[in-house]
Amino acid sequence: DADVTQTPRNRITKTGKRIMLECSQTKGHDRMYWYRQDPGLGLRLIYYSFDVKDINKGEISDGYSVSRQAQAKFSLSLESAIPNQTALYFCATAGTGANVLTFGAGSRLTVL
Amino acid sequence: AQRVTQPEKLLSVFKGAPVELKCNYSYSGSPELFWYVQYSRQRLQLLLRHISRESIKGFTADLNKGETSFHLKKPFAQEEDSAMYYCALKAGDNFNKFYFGSGTKLNVKP
Repeated sequence: DADVTQTPRNRITKTGKRIMLECSQTKGHDRMYWYRQDPGLGLRLIYYSFDVKDINKGEISDGYSVSRQAQAKFSLSLESAIPNQTALYFCATAGTGANVLTFGAGSRLTVL
Repeated sequence: AQRVTQPEKLLSVFKGAPVELKCNYSYSGSPELFWYVQYSRQRLQLLLRHISRESIKGFTADLNKGETSFHLKKPFAQEEDSAMYYCALKAGDNFNKFYFGSGTKLNVKP
């Protein structure tokens, strides 16, 4: 079983719709991250959380929100999706003081 | 502000040729640098980190603070090395934010 699970893996939606991408982990890590991957731009940090009560904006948080429902769950929401949010989204985790990120398989979102 | 630059979007080499994927960074503190790799249809995974001074799958990378570089090298490329490679910098107040470069796609031709 995967350590970091993302759902859905693929989603096509329309402009203006609300979308939630979910991430759950079984690694017991306290740090969780959401990244967005675009061709030629690499991975950009959207939000990160160091524990359930700690949420921080990353480089490109506008248009996104997150919820850390439990240590193991970190959800990314697009309240009103727009086409330029079409991208591959990755969730990642890391343990306290750890140097290594563990990634999920990615969620491909297409906004028409 | 911290930044990671990978100048090459695509690097094509023949099998057995040396390969060097470039990475430059800017960071005011003491950096921790990493290389992550994404093989086709697989997840992003750690390849190596500068602090470990290790060689993984024949790849090495040396942190050069004077040139602010962390280039990834392999003397003899193999076809299975074809993948997307990302250079990453660990930074931030809590030292737990990771910044990634734009990635370099390595294509090793037979």
